[in-house]
Amino acid sequence: DAEITQSPRHKITETGRQVTLACHQTWNHNNMFWYRQDLGHGLRLIHYSYGVQDTNKGEVSDGYSVSRSNTEDLPLTLESAASSQTSVYFCASSGGAGGAYEQYFGPGTRLTVT
Amino acid sequence: AQSVAQPEDQVNVAEGNPLTVKCTYSVSGNPYLFWYVQYPNRGLQFLLKYITGDNLVKGSYGFEAEFNKSQTSFHLKKPSALVSDSALYFCAVRDKGYSTLTFGKGTMLLVSP
Repeated sequence: DAEITQSPRHKITETGRQVTLACHQTWNHNNMFWYRQDLGHGLRLIHYSYGVQDTNKGEVSDGYSVSRSNTEDLPLTLESAASSQTSVYFCASSGGAGGAYEQYFGPGTRLTVT
Repeated sequence: AQSVAQPEDQVNVAEGNPLTVKCTYSVSGNPYLFWYVQYPNRGLQFLLKYITGDNLVKGSYGFEAEFNKSQTSFHLKKPSALVSDSALYFCAVRDKGYSTLTFGKGTMLLVSP
């Protein structure tokens, strides 16, 4: 069955370190998204991609970057981790164009920055 | 701009009773509307969506939602709640002129035995 996976599931890192969270999907979807989930804020969009070599900034992109070199993967990099980036991170993907398609979510990565 | 509001942080209902989780939205054009559910320590799961057509949309696990354009609402409903329905529910909207979804802050549904 097609799926979307994230690794690691849990990560503890120190302030100032670079961290990369992996996202891999086997749906063959063109569209991929990164969100963070924080109490009181719901889900907020960090970055998204509508295809290989395409990346776009979301609502809370400062301090994060992504790259899309193939259809299956959209890694999220925290360039210099800050305590404010302690959160649960979700990757999602969707097929089709035009926005009518639902997104499929990964299981999440819980990141703690100390 | 597009936005979505879930006015209740928590909804409590007894098992067997009907449940409603409220969602209102704001868009400049015609909306695409979605409901997702999140169980503890899991990712979001898609429940149902309104794109066009019939205002009453049926989805997974017996849930349904009614699109009301005049009230700009898309409330989630179920005729008879189960304890296993206890979870965090998110409403999301996309204006047809926008490229991404905007999520509400979520409503925790607690169904008591």
